Order: sequence, then C-alpha cells, then structure tokens
Amino acid sequence: KNEVEQSPQNLTAQEGEFITINCSYSVGISALHWLQQHPGGGIVSLFMLSSGKKKHGRLIATINIQEKHSSLHITASHPRDSAVYICAAGLNSGGSNYKLTFGKGTLLTVNP
Amino acid sequence: KAGVTQTPRYLIKTRGQQVTLSCSPISGHRSVSWYQQTPGQGLQFLFEYFSETQRNKGNFPGRFSGRQFSNSRSEMNVSTLELGDSALYLCASSLWGVTEAFFGQGTRLTVV
Repeated sequence: KNEVEQSPQNLTAQEGEFITINCSYSVGISALHWLQQHPGGGIVSLFMLSSGKKKHGRLIATINIQEKHSSLHITASHPRDSAVYICAAGLNSGGSNYKLTFGKGTLLTVNP
Repeated sequence: KAGVTQTPRYLIKTRGQQVTLSCSPISGHRSVSWYQQTPGQGLQFLFEYFSETQRNKGNFPGRFSGRQFSNSRSEMNVSTLELGDSALYLCASSLWGVTEAFFGQGTRLTVV
C-alpha cells in the first residue's frame, strides 16, 4: 500500500468550476508538498505546508494533521490549470534528513 | 535568480552502457535530491545529498550512484543500463532538508 494516496486519479472539469484534489498519508510527516507537472515534465512546487491553510492566487491548500489529510482546491478553474497535481509527504528521519514520498498524481483536464 | 538546471535534457543510451546526469541547484541551496519518474511507478526517491554527503538513499540497486561537489552541483550515475531504467530523472534543490524544494526540468533517459 502506498504511503500517500491521492484521489481522484483523473478529473475533468469545465472552465470556471471549483476543483478539489485530495491526499491522504499514513505516516507522520514534517510537511506536505503540492506539486504541479505540465506535459514535458517540469515540476513546479505549489505549496509546502505543515498546518492550517495556504492560499496563492486561485489555489488553496489545506491540511488536517490529526486526520492525515490534505486538499488542494482550485477556484474558477481555467484550461491553463490542466496538469498533473502531485502531493508528496515530507518525512524527517532525524537532523536535517528529509525525504519526499509521492502520491501517484491527479491528471486534471479543464475544458473551455 | 536562476532555477535548477539539469543537463542534458534528453539522452538515448544502449543497454549495458553507463550514463551521468548533472544537476546545478539554485545558488545558495545545499541540498540536492534525485528522483526517478516512470509511468508505472510514478515519482520515486533516489538519494539526497547535503554538503557533499549522501544523507538519504531510496530503494534502488547499487547501479545508481551519485555525488555532490563543493559548489553543491550534483551528478548521478547509472551503470550497466537496463531497459527499465528508461525514465524521467528529476533533481530538486532546497536550502536544507525541511524547506521548499525546487525542481529542475528533468533529464529524459531512453535505454534501447
């Protein structure tokens, strides 16, 4: 069983819709990362959070440490938001020893 | 500020050969991590270097190795290439362990 589970695997939306992608993890973490990957491979770090909520433009990330669950929301979705969204659990195994474990990703397609 | 630079972007190698990939982190970042991404397995952690020392290693065979230089640039090497090594190899840099990671564009390796 993967330590980081994402849902849904695929998501198709119409432009303007509110999008939610969920991430559950089974281990204690130091931080939870949300990443965006466009076709071609490059990965962009969207958020790194260890508690509460962060907002950047139309993107909002929340985390519930007790429930080991995080969500990524996109408000007023746009075709340019089409990408793979990946959550990653950051595990600190002592000192500055830090390792990311990734979910399988959610392929988001936003149609005009 | 320049981002994370990976070279080369694309590589085609023959089974049995070896390959070296390079990653130049963001200036001032001392931690460099390497990841392998395949359609079947998703993103998997290879290893992490900090101040020229390998601090963390994923579950990969000894054919996969790396190093980090005093200027924080890192290289990873794969010897005796197998078809299954075909993947996108990504590196990420951060200031130190538990800080935001910035990813390069990746090197797409094809083994024939």
